[in-house]
This record gives sequence, structure tokens and C-alpha cells, in this order.
Amino acid sequence: DVVVTQSPLSLSVRPGEPASISCKSSQSLLFSDGYHYLDWYLQKPGQSPQLLIYLASNRASGVPDRFSGSGSGTDFTLKISRVEAEDVGVYYCMQALHTPNIFGGGTKVEI
Amino acid sequence: EVRLVESGGGLVKPGGSLRLSCAASGFTFTTYSMNWIRQAPGKGLEWVSSVSTSSDYIYYADSVKGRFTVSRDNAKNSLYLQMHSLRAEDTAVYYCARDGIVGNIGRRFDYWGRGTLVTVSS
Repeated sequence: DVVVTQSPLSLSVRPGEPASISCKSSQSLLFSDGYHYLDWYLQKPGQSPQLLIYLASNRASGVPDRFSGSGSGTDFTLKISRVEAEDVGVYYCMQALHTPNIFGGGTKVEI
Repeated sequence: EVRLVESGGGLVKPGGSLRLSCAASGFTFTTYSMNWIRQAPGKGLEWVSSVSTSSDYIYYADSVKGRFTVSRDNAKNSLYLQMHSLRAEDTAVYYCARDGIVGNIGRRFDYWGRGTLVTVSS
């Protein structure tokens, strides 16, 4: 199975400051269609996870543009340009190409 | 509005069985593959199973293979997970999630239910 490693485990950020989360896959997530099958999810406290970013860099519907995803091959990054109070929660990356789909261990973001 | 509502969770003894259901609404159910994803208390997310639109393709995580069976009833817009030989390590919130990719490559969990808690304990 693909191994997905996230870092850091936790992040404490002041409102208005940037934040960055790293995600590394043990196998390339680039498919022959040219897309990287890496998604990002946010689970806010007490809620179900929600899709933030798909195909490495595409924001899901309704996701603010302060969130951005980048990366290629096996290394990916989620960036929040200016963290807001509503961004607290646990962020997960997930390799979306191979079965079984594997989630990273999560990064807890606190304000 | 897309809605996924899970039910059927509860307390069950080790070795017991349970059947989870997920009622879908607000979209054309037959267009999308569906998934079960679980989260043990205080832990991360684990994909459990996937079923394609016509149930032609079914996949399981190794941790549940041979014990869990996923199915869907397109006439009822419903997804199911039959769980047998339950173990303490199956204790988790089980989420139903839609695969937003219409096609054979990859998965994208674009809508999730609120989950149903399964507790396996004597």
C-alpha cells in the first residue's frame, strides 16, 4: 500500500499569519492524464471531514481562495495564506489514485 | 442539496454483527460510486470500502476483507455495510461518502454524512 506522511503533527498559528502543511507519498500520484491524485480534507471540531482541495491544486466548491494546494510526484503542500479562526481543525491529505485510498495522519491547526 | 444520512450504529459484542445504512438524497444516486470511511475515537481516517454505480466493482480495506460486505440499492437510493465478526478495533464512527469522480480513475470524497458510531465491546 501507498504510505502517506504528513507534517507537522500540529501547528499553532496567529490569525492573519500563513500556514503550510506538507504531505509526502511513497509512490507517485501522477496519472497518465497529467493530474496528480492528491486531495486535502479539513475536519473541523465536531464535524465530518470536508473536501478542500482535489487533484493537488483545485479548490472544492465554496472553499476560500486563501487555501491553495501545490506539488507534484510524491511531494505536496497545502497553504493557508492568512489563517482565520474558522480554519481550526485537523487537515488530512489523501492519495486518491491507488486502492486502498490512504489518508495522512492529520495535522491539527490551532489558533 | 446533497444529503447522506447514516444509521444502524450501536453497541455490539465482539464477534457480533451489525448492518449500517446510508440514505442518499439530493443527487442522482446511480451516477456515483459510494464509500464507507471510518474514524476510530481520537484517530485519523481510514477508507473501508467502495462500491461502483452498478455494484460491478467492489473494494475493501484489508482490515475488513472477508468480514464486511458493502452493497447498494439504487431503487432506494441507499448504501449498506454488513459487518460480521466484529472486533474491538472496528470501534469507530462510520461515514458514508460520495465519490465525486464519475469515471474509473481515482476517488474524491466530495460529500460526507455525519456518521454513525459503532462500539464493539463486551
